[in-house]
Amino acid sequence: AQSVAQPEDQVNVAEGNPLTVKCTYSVSGNPYLFWYVQYPNRGLQFLLKYITGDNLVKGSYGFEAEFNKSQTSFHLKKPSALVSDSALYFCAVRAGGYQKVTFGIGTKLQVIP
Amino acid sequence: SAVISQKPSRDICQRGTSLTIQCQVDSQVTMMFWYRQQPGQSLTLIATANQGSEATYESGFVIDKFPISRPNLTFSTLTVSNMSPEDSSIYLCSVDEGQGSNEQFFGPGTRLTVL
Repeated sequence: AQSVAQPEDQVNVAEGNPLTVKCTYSVSGNPYLFWYVQYPNRGLQFLLKYITGDNLVKGSYGFEAEFNKSQTSFHLKKPSALVSDSALYFCAVRAGGYQKVTFGIGTKLQVIP
Repeated sequence: SAVISQKPSRDICQRGTSLTIQCQVDSQVTMMFWYRQQPGQSLTLIATANQGSEATYESGFVIDKFPISRPNLTFSTLTVSNMSPEDSSIYLCSVDEGQGSNEQFFGPGTRLTVL
């Protein structure tokens, strides 16, 4: 069975500092990995994905994530945090196209002015 | 990306009643999904709805409690039947645009409170 772990319930970072939100996964075969963001009272918005190719993927709003196969990780990063980045972030994995998506429990990011 | 709308956006219901949530997509999609997000929790897949076939339910979810319709390639409904306070959640519709994109896109969600 596939699974996603987000070890931090909350991450606090000062505005302008780099941020990292951690994610590790378990899946059979090659993983399809995703990051989504959820703002209060909103649905999930797609940020970025890794399917194949370059291990560093870039997405919306200046976010990027690095796929590390040996560590089965897909951490979300941003060089300089904004207060408006404060939201709930979900990591997700699927074993391929048309397969079930499994979400992590979510990490609340708080950017402090 | 697909644009997805849901109705209602929120509702407060009495125990024992049923609520039908509608999901409309602005393009034809093969796979539609219904998720539940309980307070402070992650998303849990309820079922997968493909047009022209019965919905496929995940473990712990049954058709009598969560009947789903999928009459065409742009529309689906989820009914939450005989509601109890434990059904208070956000219900999210999502679509899978297929192998070309691989990611799922989500509607804004329906916030349900059962008293």
